[in-house]
Amino acid sequence: EAGVAQSPRYKIIEKRQSVAFWCNPISGHATLYWYQQILGQGPKLLIQFQNNGVVDDSQLPKDRFSAERLKGVDSTLKIQPAKLEDSAVYLCASSLGQGVYEQYFGPGTRLTVT
Amino acid sequence: KQEVTQIPAALSVPEGENLVLNCSFTDSAIYNLQWFRQDPGKGLTSLLLIQSSQREQTSGRLNASLDKSSGRSTLYIAASQPGDSATYLCAVRGGADGLTFGKGTHLIIQP
Repeated sequence: EAGVAQSPRYKIIEKRQSVAFWCNPISGHATLYWYQQILGQGPKLLIQFQNNGVVDDSQLPKDRFSAERLKGVDSTLKIQPAKLEDSAVYLCASSLGQGVYEQYFGPGTRLTVT
Repeated sequence: KQEVTQIPAALSVPEGENLVLNCSFTDSAIYNLQWFRQDPGKGLTSLLLIQSSQREQTSGRLNASLDKSSGRSTLYIAASQPGDSATYLCAVRGGADGLTFGKGTHLIIQP
């Protein structure tokens, strides 16, 4: 079974530029998550999708971050404009559903904003 | 708001020792608790998942326990090996939310 795929793996941009990350979850997984992991911290949930609907985006900085999951499969996370403090690893995870189901993580995208 | 604390923040032990990593959480209303391993520059690898109705889970040299009422979990690693060196993260899941993570324990096993 293929795991969660993410691209790109690394990205370096200047502040005020825009960037987009892509995630392809495990086939059949209805729930998809985006997490932000700043160096030395545990991951923090940014947004959770159930199929193509948003379940929780309370910690997403909506003035600069946006995410979508068209057709309930792949998802993209966008930052525009980027700030220095957005430098982090962005992790995508998926699960069969909410609640008791295990989450599986992708390899992450390491973003550096200079 | 759920908070997860992991102790110790860092640990260095000689190869072959048995060790215990601790995790505590403030809200006992959880669906489950997961232990992850993270190698430098890599994503998260799930080690063990304990549902709220379970007391422990075992996989090879790893054993995780859960005491939901006291808000505690431990990860026991038997006969540690240099390949066990990594950061270990504890995370809890409550309601319809995603996971709430601790900051992790950075483990070094000395050959």
